[in-house]
Amino acid sequence: AQSVAQPEDQVNVAEGNPLTVKCTYSVSGNPYLFWYVQYPNRGLQFLLKYITGDNLVKGSYGFEAEFNKSQTSFHLKKPSALVSDSALYFCAVRDFFSGNTPLVFGKGTRLSVIA
Amino acid sequence: GAGVSQTPSNKVTEKGKYVELRCDPISGHTALYWYRQSLGQGPEFLIYFQGTGAADDSGLPNDRFFAVRPEGSVSTLKIQRTERGDSAVYLCASSPGLAGGIDEQFFGPGTRLTVL
Repeated sequence: AQSVAQPEDQVNVAEGNPLTVKCTYSVSGNPYLFWYVQYPNRGLQFLLKYITGDNLVKGSYGFEAEFNKSQTSFHLKKPSALVSDSALYFCAVRDFFSGNTPLVFGKGTRLSVIA
Repeated sequence: GAGVSQTPSNKVTEKGKYVELRCDPISGHTALYWYRQSLGQGPEFLIYFQGTGAADDSGLPNDRFFAVRPEGSVSTLKIQRTERGDSAVYLCASSPGLAGGIDEQFFGPGTRLTVL
């Protein structure tokens, strides 16, 4: 069975500082990994995904994530946080061998960027 | 272009009533997903359509929940004899349905269901 863990319920960071939102996963095969962001009263917005290839993936709004197979992690990062980045972030996984199946989401991490 | 839309945005009903939630996916997307999100949790899968057929309905919690997609576009999630525990945000997502599952899903804004 696939699973995702987001160990931090809340991350606080000062504006202009780098941010990291952690995600670890468990799949039986090779993972497809995704990050989504959710703003209040809005649907989830896609940020980036890892399918194959370069372990460092760049996405929307200056976010990037690094796939680490040995640590089964896919942490989300941004070099310089903005107050507007404050939102709820979800990591999700799909097993490569499962094909076009639903995503399994983590519980989410609330990011608060303080001016 | 237009994204995924869901109606209504909010639905308040009484325990025991029947409700229908509608999802309009992005045009041309063959895959459609329903998820349920409770407070403080990530989305939990309910049912997945590929075209008109339900490819995976293993996430439906019981037989009070049912979903259809008769023409391979709009989908309706139906909940019979609603219970207070059904209160949640119901999210719909669609994707092109590319082979191998590499495509990301595009989510609608959700329907907030409150069962009194």
